[in-house]
Amino acid sequence: DAGVIQSPRHEVTEMGQEVTLRCKPISGHDYLFWYRQTMMRGLELLIYFNNNVPIDDSGMPEDRFSAKMPNASFSTLKIQPSEPRDSAVYFCASSLRRPDNEQFFGPGTRLTVL
Amino acid sequence: TQLLEQSPQFLSIQEGENLTVYCNSSSVFSSLQWYRQEPGEGPVLLVTVVTGGEVKKLKRLTFQFGDARKDSSLHITAAQPGDTGLYLCAGAVAGFQKLVFGTGTRLLVSP
Repeated sequence: DAGVIQSPRHEVTEMGQEVTLRCKPISGHDYLFWYRQTMMRGLELLIYFNNNVPIDDSGMPEDRFSAKMPNASFSTLKIQPSEPRDSAVYFCASSLRRPDNEQFFGPGTRLTVL
Repeated sequence: TQLLEQSPQFLSIQEGENLTVYCNSSSVFSSLQWYRQEPGEGPVLLVTVVTGGEVKKLKRLTFQFGDARKDSSLHITAAQPGDTGLYLCAGAVAGFQKLVFGTGTRLLVSP
């Protein structure tokens, strides 16, 4: 198995632009998570899905952030409009059967908003 | 609200030294996981502890779950440069239906 795949690995954009991050979970995993990691705030859970349905989006910072999971093998995290404070590493992770089972993380997308 | 506090936040040691990292909370966990994250990569699971008082060993790493299942520790014996990374604990809190990650301990082991 290729593991969790994220794209792009790096994204540099200007303030106000739309940013879309992509994730392909491990095949067969029924939970998908989006995290944001910064030095100041550590690893924060933004949202997670179960069988493509959003279960908990309480970590989504504001309306500028949205996430979708149109099918079991693809999810997106969109920021519109982006702001410099959104600069961080965004991770996608997936797990099997339970949200508190072992989570398998992708390599992350390093986002820089200028 | 951060449920899991890790200490120390940073640790810089020489190869061969021993160290202990702590993960503390006021909440009771049904299980607790330890992850290691290397630069430029996502966290990778090292171990899961489930039973209060449980001790698990992974080569030079020893993990302990507190008797009350509110805390955990990671002890590394004879640290090596390959142990360098960010260590994260993550707890499963009953009723939360998700993992809560700790604040992290950044370890640097110099040759």
